[in-house]
Amino acid sequence: TQLLEQSPQFLSIQEGENLTVYCNSSSVFSSLQWYRQEPGEGPVLLVTVVTGGEVKKLKRLTFQFGDARKDSSLHITAAQPGDTGLYLCAGGWASGTYKYIFGTGTRLKVLA
Amino acid sequence: EAQVTQNPRYLITVTGKKLTVTCSQNMNHEYMSWYRQDPGLGLRQIYYSMNVEVTDKGDVPEGYKVSRKEKRNFPLILESPSPNQTSLYFCASSLTPGGYYEQYFGPGTRLTVT
Repeated sequence: TQLLEQSPQFLSIQEGENLTVYCNSSSVFSSLQWYRQEPGEGPVLLVTVVTGGEVKKLKRLTFQFGDARKDSSLHITAAQPGDTGLYLCAGGWASGTYKYIFGTGTRLKVLA
Repeated sequence: EAQVTQNPRYLITVTGKKLTVTCSQNMNHEYMSWYRQDPGLGLRQIYYSMNVEVTDKGDVPEGYKVSRKEKRNFPLILESPSPNQTSLYFCASSLTPGGYYEQYFGPGTRLTVT
């Protein structure tokens, strides 16, 4: 079974701090996505990365796809209470198998 | 409005009583999936479908069945539910497989099997 390991599992920080969440696997993915999930709702897409080494920015969020397309990171600059939520990475394949796997998630709490 | 709908949202049932959770999408998406979400285990894919009449197992298919007779619908069937299938279930759809496009998720179905 392919695995996507996320770290840390839990993160509680003060408003204004920076943080990085990591997503690692031994598998090579066709693409990697980051989702955010609020309590009682389904995940919502933040970003998709498909090229090894790709970096994407979404306001204060920076996403990077590893060169070998096996890992990714999410960096948040100057975290705000509105960033609180569950962050999930997810990897997919476009050949061989068409499965889709999620990491175990990072629960972030940003304190005002 | 583009959306994925699931029904019911909440279900309490007893061991062995067959049940179906419906899922429908209005975006003409090819790829549809079912996931279960459990504390500490994240979202795990149960089954997925590439298109009508094309389905395949995800990572945790045991105890579940699916069918895809129409492009828009992808029901999840538990023929003999057991307590270890108590979970939060999500249906999702995307334009194609491979993770290149956003997966749109339904609102979730919270299932309790006693």
